[in-house]
Amino acid sequence: AQSVTQLDSHVSVSEGTPVLLRCNYSSSYSPSLFWYVQHPNKGLQLLLKYTSAATLVKGINGFEAEFKKSETSFHLTKPSAHMSDAAEYFCVLGDFGNEKLTFGTGTRLTIIP
Amino acid sequence: DTGVSQNPRHKITKRGQNVTFRCDPISEHNRLYWYRQTLGQGPEFLTYFQNEAQLEKSRLLSDRFSAERPKGSFSTLEIQRTEQGDSAMYLCASSSTTGGTNEKLFFGSGTQLSVL
Repeated sequence: AQSVTQLDSHVSVSEGTPVLLRCNYSSSYSPSLFWYVQHPNKGLQLLLKYTSAATLVKGINGFEAEFKKSETSFHLTKPSAHMSDAAEYFCVLGDFGNEKLTFGTGTRLTIIP
Repeated sequence: DTGVSQNPRHKITKRGQNVTFRCDPISEHNRLYWYRQTLGQGPEFLTYFQNEAQLEKSRLLSDRFSAERPKGSFSTLEIQRTEQGDSAMYLCASSSTTGGTNEKLFFGSGTQLSVL
């Protein structure tokens, strides 16, 4: 069965400090993995995607994620948090054709001024 | 605005009433998806269309739910005899597979349904 687990429901960091949002997955085949961000009253936006190419994936707004098969992890990082990064972040697992996405329960990121 | 558009943004209804939501995808996108998001949870897949054909439905989509995409353009999601458990954000997304891959879904802002 496909599943994705976000290990923290809420993360708070100070502005200018690193961000780490953790995600583990379970898949019976080589996965497609995504991170989406959801700002209040806005649609979900794709941050980055992994589709079996490079294991270190760079996304928009300075975010990146590393696919680690041995650890079944796909953690999202950013070197320096900005106030505008405050939002809900979802780790997402795709099926073969990415028709059905399996979302994690989300991590709410709060940035402390 | 050329993004995915959903209407209405909010819908309040009484239990037992029927409701219909509309989604206008990005022009030329051949795939359209419906997801449901309840408070504190991630979105859950409901169904998707390739052009006008509905290709898959989740077990979450009971027989009170019906979705259509006539002519492969906009889509409607109807819920009959609404129940309080139907209260959720209903999200629509679209994508294009013309390049042979389907790697990016574009989501609308959703329709928030409250069943009283």
